[in-house]
Amino acid sequence: DAGVIQSPRHEVTEMGQEVTLRCKPISGHDYLFWYRQTMMRGLELLIYFNNNVPIDDSGMPEDRFSAKMPNASFSTLKIQPSEPRDSAVYFCASSSRPNSPLHFGNGTRLTVT
Amino acid sequence: QKEVEQNSGPLSVPEGAIASLNCTYSDRGSQSFFWYRQYSGKSPELIMFIYSNGDKEDGRFTAQLNKASQYVSLLIRDSQPSDSATYLCAVNGDSNYQLIWGAGTKLIIKP
Repeated sequence: DAGVIQSPRHEVTEMGQEVTLRCKPISGHDYLFWYRQTMMRGLELLIYFNNNVPIDDSGMPEDRFSAKMPNASFSTLKIQPSEPRDSAVYFCASSSRPNSPLHFGNGTRLTVT
Repeated sequence: QKEVEQNSGPLSVPEGAIASLNCTYSDRGSQSFFWYRQYSGKSPELIMFIYSNGDKEDGRFTAQLNKASQYVSLLIRDSQPSDSATYLCAVNGDSNYQLIWGAGTKLIIKP
């Protein structure tokens, strides 16, 4: 059974460029979460979806960040334009129902120079 | 502001001993409690979850929940060097779909 799949694993880009992170949740999981992790701030929830619908995006830092889930098997997190302070590891996670454990992807390490 | 507190460590434990990791939370209405292990450069992976007061055992791991005192702990028996990692405590927040995360405790098992 494949887990949560994220791509790319690493992304290095220059300030001002657009960055798109991709996620495929576990089949049958109705909840998808995007997290960001840094040493200073730990794990931060950016946005989560239920049945492809964004439920809470209050953690999205600013308008430069956007997320979509066009179908049950694919989600994207886009940063446009990117800034050095966006450098972090971005995790996608999915779960099957409320209160159930999260299953994390391997993450995307983003470096913005 | 709902919070989850963990000692950042590092917590150093000799191989074969019991490692005890603690977590306190502020929201008395919390219902779900999770322990995740994260190796350096890797993603968090679930170790244990507990919903009811008392102990829950899984192999060398035991989760303990005390809702009256608002703490949850993780015991690792017969600690191994491979247990060296950061352990994250997570507690459900305002909704069942959101977790409040602790900053994690770094555990070092010394051979």
